[in-house]
Amino acid sequence: DVKVTQSSRYLVKRTGEKVFLECVQDMDHENMFWYRQDPGLGLRLIYFSYDVKMKEKGDIPEGYSVSREKKERFSLILESASTNQTSMYLCASSAGGIFNEQFFGPGTRLTVL
Amino acid sequence: ILNVEQSPQSLHVQEGDSTNFTCSFPSSNFYALHWYRWETAKSPEALFVMTLNGDEKKKGRISATLNTKEGYSYLYIKGSQPEDSATYLCASRNAGGTSYGKLTFGQGTILTVHP
Repeated sequence: DVKVTQSSRYLVKRTGEKVFLECVQDMDHENMFWYRQDPGLGLRLIYFSYDVKMKEKGDIPEGYSVSREKKERFSLILESASTNQTSMYLCASSAGGIFNEQFFGPGTRLTVL
Repeated sequence: ILNVEQSPQSLHVQEGDSTNFTCSFPSSNFYALHWYRWETAKSPEALFVMTLNGDEKKKGRISATLNTKEGYSYLYIKGSQPEDSATYLCASRNAGGTSYGKLTFGQGTILTVHP
């Protein structure tokens, strides 16, 4: 079974803190993605990566950065957390190619106070 | 940003009812349409990936159709069961710019099946 794990299920941070969300997949997938999910808005893509050290902005990259130093690990960084970044964050991975399904992690619910 | 719309936003049905919901997506530069099921406290999981106009896919009591010319897909659930209660997400993959590998998700349809 494909497994995508995220470092925390719940996280509470303060405004201005630097926040790291980690994602690891064990299926040697080329592509990895970070989404946020807010009520009524569906999943919105923040960043994705199709290879080690490669990254591409999604639809809402402002306030976020990412790092992919190893194929299996994709990190989302909030440089200075703000209250409007309180959300559910989902990581996903997929094999290379445009027709492959994405496999999702369990999500991290981040609250910024 | 592409516009993917799902309707209805939420749906309540009785056990045994059949139900269906709609996903509309841009038909230009279309590559694929994905359906995912997201149960509470679990990860979204893929149901179908559909690429060709007229595609029909089936998994147990769940089936889906695809019309790429007019840009819509239907998801059907026959004889709904309480365990079908979940949010159903569709996502469209369209070419354009540097959007390789990028899916655009709809806002989801929340299905509740009452025993």
